[in-house]
Amino acid sequence: KNQVEQSPQSLIILEGKNCTLQCNYTVSPFSNLRWYKQDTGRGPVSLTIMTFSENTKSNGRYTATLDADTKQSSLHITASQLSDSASYICVVSVNEGTYKYIFGTGTRLKVLA
Amino acid sequence: DARVTQTPRHKVTEMGQEVTMRCQPILGHNTVFWYRQTMMQGLELLAYFRNRAPLDDSGMPKDRFSAEMPDATLATLKIQPSEPRDSAVYFCASGLVASGHSSNQPQHFGDGTRLSIL
Repeated sequence: KNQVEQSPQSLIILEGKNCTLQCNYTVSPFSNLRWYKQDTGRGPVSLTIMTFSENTKSNGRYTATLDADTKQSSLHITASQLSDSASYICVVSVNEGTYKYIFGTGTRLKVLA
Repeated sequence: DARVTQTPRHKVTEMGQEVTMRCQPILGHNTVFWYRQTMMQGLELLAYFRNRAPLDDSGMPKDRFSAEMPDATLATLKIQPSEPRDSAVYFCASGLVASGHSSNQPQHFGDGTRLSIL
């Protein structure tokens, strides 16, 4: 069964600290993996998209990694800011003729001053 | 910045009523997605269109939901009749995908329609 699991479910850190969010998936055939940031009351915003052959991609203070062998991805946030408080959602797409999108349930991050 | 626009932002209605949600994709985008988000299920893909043609609506309950793109600037999602379990936030997203290529392009989301069915 295609599944995407994220951990931790929630996380609280102090401003300026780094953190890493995890995404494990059992999806086949894999097409790509995306990380989204979703602020409360807003739509998700794309942070990174990685294909099978890419193992790291950065977007400012956000760096995503992908290990296609172990089917794991991580999102590392450097020097966190209060504005990083949001939910982070991992999405894996599957190519079954048409595309299917398997969503994780997200990690809720709270950054405290 | 170009944005996906969804209307209404909030809708409260009684069960059995018809609900229509509208989406204006970003100009030039050829792919439109409809998603539903609930606390219990998270985000789920309901349907998506490419060049206004429905490509996949397998995530959508067919008996009461329908999605259309009457033109390139408007996508609609209708529920008839609505039920309390349809209460959720419905998101529209659009993207640009070259024909014959994989979907390695970002999707741009609107801010959603928060639907409450009483």
